[in-house]
Amino acid sequence: GDSVTQMEGPVTLSEEAFLTINCTYTATGYPSLFWYVQYPGEGLQLLLKATKADDKGSNKGFEATYRKETTSFHLEKGSVQVSDSAVYFCALSEGSGYSTLTFGKGTMLLVSP
Amino acid sequence: EAGVTQFPSHSVIEKGQTVTLRCDPISGHDNLYWYRRVMGKEIKFLLHFVKESKQDESGMPNNRFLAERTGGTYSTLKVQPAELEDSGVYFCASSPFVNSPLHFGNGTRLTVT
Repeated sequence: GDSVTQMEGPVTLSEEAFLTINCTYTATGYPSLFWYVQYPGEGLQLLLKATKADDKGSNKGFEATYRKETTSFHLEKGSVQVSDSAVYFCALSEGSGYSTLTFGKGTMLLVSP
Repeated sequence: EAGVTQFPSHSVIEKGQTVTLRCDPISGHDNLYWYRRVMGKEIKFLLHFVKESKQDESGMPNNRFLAERTGGTYSTLKVQPAELEDSGVYFCASSPFVNSPLHFGNGTRLTVT
């Protein structure tokens, strides 16, 4: 079955540091890929998505590129802020829909001033 | 518009007891989903309603779990009898269409002692 593997956390960075959170996936078809973020005390929010190979999703300074050859969708940000502290989840769904998502375990990001 | 609302936010019960979780989706959203995150593991899909009908319940772990969505509005998820391994965070999400992004609630943290 489908699966998503993302790096263990927590990831601890200083403000303005560069962020990478690795995500790789296994899927039988051609999935859509997502990053969700959960800020403390809140629900999951869609951060960005990509629906086909070589697509780049971006939002709030975060980027991720759908790499079919390496089955990866790594999340990057050039300069993190304290307000980016949250748990980040990589996810996929088969086809172009959102309905049945397969998530990774989540990576906690802690940014200090 | 009001977001997806879940009640209660926390619940602590003893093994063998019954617990009912409630989810109020965003008004007008026909699609309602339940997901669960057991400590340290992935967020896993439980089931999907379209209006009052169960579209996909392939993720329901066993027959101790019963989900309903009477009238196609709010949904309940009952666990009876609860077991220790049911502890985790239960998320509800809704969307207007199958191929539109999910809006997640803040989750219900269930602890079974």
